[in-house]
Amino acid sequence: DARVTQTPRHKVTEMGQEVTMRCQPILGHNTVFWYRQTMMQGLELLAYFRNRAPLDDSGMPKDRFSAEMPDATLATLKIQPSEPRDSAVYFCASGPDPFPETQYFGPGTRLLVL
Amino acid sequence: DAKTTQPPSMDCAEGRAANLPCNHSTISGNEYVYWYRQIHSQGPQYIIHGLKNNETNEMASLIITEDRKSSTLILPHATLRDTAVYYCINTGNQFYFGTGTSLTVIP
Repeated sequence: DARVTQTPRHKVTEMGQEVTMRCQPILGHNTVFWYRQTMMQGLELLAYFRNRAPLDDSGMPKDRFSAEMPDATLATLKIQPSEPRDSAVYFCASGPDPFPETQYFGPGTRLLVL
Repeated sequence: DAKTTQPPSMDCAEGRAANLPCNHSTISGNEYVYWYRQIHSQGPQYIIHGLKNNETNEMASLIITEDRKSSTLILPHATLRDTAVYYCINTGNQFYFGTGTSLTVIP
């Protein structure tokens, strides 16, 4: 049963620290998405990649967030420096061709910035 | 802005059909309608999608109106495990999930 995996599952850090979240998409899925979920804003798209190339990162605060896909099996989302308002659940999802919008979500990384 | 609208909450008796509506009046001709659900504290789960024809899979049925301005997700025999937030999105709106419909299945 292929699944998207995310690490870490939980992260508590102090304001100003760097946070790195990792995602392993389902093998063979060429589209990878990053979302953030909070009670106030709901589920927000931060960025997505197709064949490892960023297609849209307009939802991401550019000054502190960065997303990359070093290879087809790893996607990373970094926050530097982190702020308390970044506290949220971050989800990664991947989608297959020809319907990449059929997204399979990981379990999420629950981030708390103190 | 091609967003969808859904009622904020619904209740359904266990064993009965749950019919969840969604309006997508600005959908374009080549945009698909997708449904997901999110059980508390889990990642969203894909349910079904369609373009213009009705669709059915092992989880649900999707009925799309002829003008494509709205759709209904049908869970034919709701169980307690179907209690979740259900999201309707279309592929023209940059994956905007909105607030969805919180479905509570009542014993």
